Amino acid sequence: ETGVTQSPTHLIKTRGQQVTLRCSSQSGHNTVSWYQQALGQGPQFIFQYYREEENGRGNFPPRFSGLQFPNYSSELNVNALELDDSALYLCASRPDRADTQYFGPGTRLTVL
Amino acid sequence: AQSVSQHNHHVILSEAASLELGCNYSYGGTVNLFWYVQYPGQHLQLLLKYFSGDPLVKGIKGFEAEFIKSKFSFNLRKPSVQWSDTAEYFCAVNAYRSQGNLIFGKGTKLSVKP
Repeated sequence: ETGVTQSPTHLIKTRGQQVTLRCSSQSGHNTVSWYQQALGQGPQFIFQYYREEENGRGNFPPRFSGLQFPNYSSELNVNALELDDSALYLCASRPDRADTQYFGPGTRLTVL
Repeated sequence: AQSVSQHNHHVILSEAASLELGCNYSYGGTVNLFWYVQYPGQHLQLLLKYFSGDPLVKGIKGFEAEFIKSKFSFNLRKPSVQWSDTAEYFCAVNAYRSQGNLIFGKGTKLSVKP
């Protein structure tokens, strides 16, 4: 167990809808990153938040957005869902100045 | 562009066989290197990591990896696999001391036959 939880476990949406995925990190983990893992691929970095501000972003469009809250929880929001957004979404957190990230179990999103 | 290549998509071994999974990276600087494992239905777990020092690093469950800087490689090894090692293995890299995002390879699925 990494102490990182995600909800929901599974989610089915239709194209064009919006979705919010949630992550709860360990106390003291001020950095949270989100990754997208498509079927048969390795995780791809979406963005990173540190102390409630985005401080890094991968090659994902602006319809992918996030929030981080003072209570070590965070959200990933995706607008205007596309079929290719179907994937496992992983949240990872770490304390300040730590190199190792701790991953949650992921949310499986299916877009029909 | 930074990238990580894992040579084998799917490896099938019998119990007690030796394992070596290849990983090469492309990055213009000093790196941190990681191997993560994803057991069926479970979250990604850290197997081992290399930041600096001895290029041979030992991880959990009898796994080890060797960093060869001249070859940009970080291969994962285990002398004798068990059925419980059946999982997907991911090599990842980030910039040294960057605390930045991880770049993952596509993963290698390991199936161990009892």
